[in-house]
Amino acid sequence: GQQVMQIPQYQHVQEGEDFTTYCNSSTTLSNIQWYKQRPGGHPVFLIQLVKSGEVKKQKRLTFQFGEAKKNSSLHITATQTTDVGTYFCAKSGTYKYIFGTGTRLKVLA
Amino acid sequence: NAGVTQTPKFQVLKTGQSMTLQCAQDMNHNSMYWYRQDPGMGLRLIYYSASEGTTDKGEVPNGYNVSRLNKREFSLRLESAAPSQTSVYFCASMAASNEKLFFGSGTQLSVL
Repeated sequence: GQQVMQIPQYQHVQEGEDFTTYCNSSTTLSNIQWYKQRPGGHPVFLIQLVKSGEVKKQKRLTFQFGEAKKNSSLHITATQTTDVGTYFCAKSGTYKYIFGTGTRLKVLA
Repeated sequence: NAGVTQTPKFQVLKTGQSMTLQCAQDMNHNSMYWYRQDPGMGLRLIYYSASEGTTDKGEVPNGYNVSRLNKREFSLRLESAAPSQTSVYFCASMAASNEKLFFGSGTQLSVL
């Protein structure tokens, strides 16, 4: 079964509102990756976090890795309709990449 | 540069039929992966090949076999398809350990 839990499963927001998805693991992670999948598309890599407490930003997206390296979050500021899609976190163990269940984001214009 | 190419894009099978999903990458990547995606279940790893000549089971390998034909190609075979294998299948590749995955556009498979 899934070793990486993601919440929430779904999120509807009004355009301009913020959005956050959380990824939690029962074990310490060596690193964590985030992917975005547009409706009907395939997952596309966004970022990788490696260090404890690491924070990275990509324009309106902020990614955090927990101090204990057991959780991570993706925060989108002022959502736009282009942010629609499903966001996945993925834990990597050498070559074995296990994905979370994903958070599906809908943005209402 | 095509990246990761999957064929076919759509397939309908009857229960018990067999088929092979093909995947090829032209990025000279060492590692290749097969995932299935079902609503509410995210992406689940079926099999992976860390390097040419090796294959390993993922989270949900039952009912599937794989072949790493060469460095470019990694195929997924369903010997006797079951309705539970109705899903979208994604192939992915990665240059080296702990780098990012590149995904193909997927195969939508329906087993009736």
